[in-house]
Amino acid sequence: DIQMTQSPSSVSASVGDRVTITCRASQGISSWLAWYQQKPGKAPKLLIYAASSLQSGVPSRFSGSGSGTDFTLTISSLQPEDFATYYCQQANSFPPTFGQGTKLEIK
Amino acid sequence: EVQLVESGGGLVQPGGSLRLSCAASGFTFSSYAMHWVRQAPGKGLEYVSAISSNGGSTYYANSVKGRFTISRDNSKNTLYLQMGSLRAEDMAVYYCARGAVGPAAKNWYYMDVWGKGTTVTVSS
Repeated sequence: DIQMTQSPSSVSASVGDRVTITCRASQGISSWLAWYQQKPGKAPKLLIYAASSLQSGVPSRFSGSGSGTDFTLTISSLQPEDFATYYCQQANSFPPTFGQGTKLEIK
Repeated sequence: EVQLVESGGGLVQPGGSLRLSCAASGFTFSSYAMHWVRQAPGKGLEYVSAISSNGGSTYYANSVKGRFTISRDNSKNTLYLQMGSLRAEDMAVYYCARGAVGPAAKNWYYMDVWGKGTTVTVSS
């Protein structure tokens, strides 16, 4: 199975800050990567697919980049509703595997 | 409104069985591959299983292979997960999710709609 490693595991930031989360795959996955947002007690929500494509309805302050083994999720200007846990997921080969998550907390 | 609603979770003893259901509405269920993903208390997301749109192909994570069976009834717009030989490590919230569609063959690995989840507790 392909292993996905996110960093950092947690990050504290303020409203209006720019935040970047990274995800590394244990082998090349081209652009087969998604990012999900999960709030406590809620289901995950698809934000980004194909490494950089914004899912319909997701605010444009979210963006994704990368290919091969290294990927980033950037939130350009944090809003109060963005404080959540973020997961990357590879879609290159079965089984789809998730990173361990990055918890974004209010500073 | 596109919606997935899981049910069937509950308390089961180690070694026991449980069947989860996921009722779909607001979209053409038979056109989409479907997934099960779980999340143990305080932990991250773990992939469980998938099934093709017509039910002809099924896929399992190694951790559940031989113990869980995924199926679907397109006439009832419902996805199932039959779980057997349950262990403490199977205790989790189980989510069903819809596989995305798109021009690329692997698009269905992306999960674009999720249910709210159903909780499975394995304990004696």
